[in-house]
Amino acid sequence: GEDVEQSLFLSVREGDSSVINCTYTDSSSTYLYWYKQEPGAGLQLLTYIFSNMDMKQDQRLTVLLNKKDKHLSLRIADTQTGDSAIYFCAESTPPGNKLVFGAGTILRVKS
Amino acid sequence: GAGVSQSPSNKVTEKGKDVELRCDPISGHTALYWYRQSLGQGLEFLIYFQGNSAPDKSGLPSDRFSAERTGGSVSTLTIQRTQQEDSAVYLCASSSRQGARGYTFGSGTRLTIV
Repeated sequence: GEDVEQSLFLSVREGDSSVINCTYTDSSSTYLYWYKQEPGAGLQLLTYIFSNMDMKQDQRLTVLLNKKDKHLSLRIADTQTGDSAIYFCAESTPPGNKLVFGAGTILRVKS
Repeated sequence: GAGVSQSPSNKVTEKGKDVELRCDPISGHTALYWYRQSLGQGLEFLIYFQGNSAPDKSGLPSDRFSAERTGGSVSTLTIQRTQQEDSAVYLCASSSRQGARGYTFGSGTRLTIV
């Protein structure tokens, strides 16, 4: 069945780059997503990538997809304290395209 | 509305009681999803509605859980005879197409069973 795995915790200094990694098992995934959850809040869609793409950049965010290894990463450049949150990787597969989420990576940014 | 609205935002109920959680999706969104997030856990898929099609109930953990979506809009998730392990944040999301471009999530209902 579908499975998405992420490292549980990442700590970086303010101004450094953060890289959050994710692996998934379903080779028929169509879209892969990164969501951000701040304390006490719902999930906010940060970015997504279609499975036929290798890379997507959106301001400070860069998503890299290695479809052969089923590996997805999110790089946050110039990490700020406001980036401290839980980051969830998710994949969707037809039919229905329900999202399967990883357990989330806690990003802690030290000033 | 402008976003996905869930109510109540917090619910404390006694073990054994029934609870109803409500989700009001973004107007025009045809797909609606319920997820559950337990403390320190990822998101667990519960149920999915798409238009007038039969819902995908494959994630419901037991027959105490049910959901309906009336008029293709508002959805209610019902948990009967609640147990302590039902304590979690219940998140609703809606999408304009079948999952493309991601979902928009509500802020969730924090359910505590005492």
